[in-house]
Amino acid sequence: GAGVSQSPSNKVTEKGKDVELRCDPISGHTALYWYRQSLGQGLEFLIYFQGNSAPDKSGLPSDRFSAERTGGSVSTLTIQRTQQEDSAVYLCASSTSPNQPQHFGDGTRLSIL
Amino acid sequence: DQQVKQNSPSLSVQEGRISILNCDYTNSMFDYFLWYKKYPAEGPTFLISISSIKDKNEDGRFTVFLNKSAKHLSLHIVPSQPGDSAVYFCAALNSGGGADGLTFGKGTHLIIQP
Repeated sequence: GAGVSQSPSNKVTEKGKDVELRCDPISGHTALYWYRQSLGQGLEFLIYFQGNSAPDKSGLPSDRFSAERTGGSVSTLTIQRTQQEDSAVYLCASSTSPNQPQHFGDGTRLSIL
Repeated sequence: DQQVKQNSPSLSVQEGRISILNCDYTNSMFDYFLWYKKYPAEGPTFLISISSIKDKNEDGRFTVFLNKSAKHLSLHIVPSQPGDSAVYFCAALNSGGGADGLTFGKGTHLIIQP
């Protein structure tokens, strides 16, 4: 389909390992967002890309989190030295421009053992 | 400090009746509001939005009302159908805020009873 695609859909890993989550936005969408949803919580905004640049990285929970976007398309969210509190569903969204509705992927469910 | 609040974790409505989901916000800089619907194991799906220059927006069975003075918005679904059973998230945006994403409430689980 033509929606936002995220991979993997599920990831289980041991504490201390690094993980990389991938997001493939809707074609032509220049704005890309990462959110996470912890159990029983709403969605927490992490970072936004306009094209390849992220003007503000202050939403990332710690310096173990990083994100990049190349070619104005695919984005990866990397979590280094994972901790149990990183367990959550990580959602990616894209939109045609920052003030238009965002369209979400189905997320990556990350479980840290 | 929660800037978008959905005070009802769940709501049960009979099929065919009106469902009213409520949302309050505290940040007066928010000027664009959205409602999303989420099924288990899926990402949120955009339903309807409203700009702060309006007080009502309608799309089929869905209507969103905005009361800026009360910093309150609501989503009306009429008539409610079994497929409407899902978690509904209210979200808000400061469109002049630059690099901010949406601020979400914690959601309301709507259950449509047959």
